[in-house]
Amino acid sequence: SQQGEEDPQALSIQEGENATMNCSYKTSINNLQWYRQNSGRGLVHLILIRSNEREKHSGRLRVTLDTSKKSSSLLITASRAADTASYFCATVNQAGTALIFGKGTTLSVSS
Amino acid sequence: DAGVIQSPRHEVTEMGQEVTLRCKPISGHNSLFWYRQTMMRGLELLIYFNNNVPIDDSGMPEDRFSAKMPNASFSTLKIQPSEPRDSAVYFCASSPPPETGLGYTFGSGTRLTIV
Repeated sequence: SQQGEEDPQALSIQEGENATMNCSYKTSINNLQWYRQNSGRGLVHLILIRSNEREKHSGRLRVTLDTSKKSSSLLITASRAADTASYFCATVNQAGTALIFGKGTTLSVSS
Repeated sequence: DAGVIQSPRHEVTEMGQEVTLRCKPISGHNSLFWYRQTMMRGLELLIYFNNNVPIDDSGMPEDRFSAKMPNASFSTLKIQPSEPRDSAVYFCASSPPPETGLGYTFGSGTRLTIV
């Protein structure tokens, strides 16, 4: 069963705009991770945020984590057409051993 | 580093046949994972290994599925006999120890079609 659920399922924006994707999860976590998947390709790790962190940045990516609400958000600033992809959040499973992925948000950035 | 290498990239097989998917993880990564991705079910964890030992295979759908990791540089996922509902993209991923704070590295996947 999915641990994380992303929202929205699909998002369409223009180049230069910011894109925000949200993730909710069900149980306590050690860390939460975001991945990107381009069509027909494998997933690429973007960023990891630990449960004792509230915000983390990496280039144009900003991730926040609210453990009290069991939610996280991924913000992509100044989006580009190359950001078009599916984005997944993932949390460690109950046994603390492997990542469980949500169904993802499909982002389309048009130029 | 060549990354996680999966083979074959595509496989089309008749139902009832045996299918073997292969994975070479990144050297130095001590955990290896097999996932299956479909439109309906998303990414499902099938099984994972730590230091070549299977830790959790609760995601393996049926006894028709089996996975092995004979050494640190090779793993296989076998389906016997295969059925049309096994059609999916199968991903292998590897990761270093959790304390490194690094994520998983995924292979490019095997697109399996059972006809």
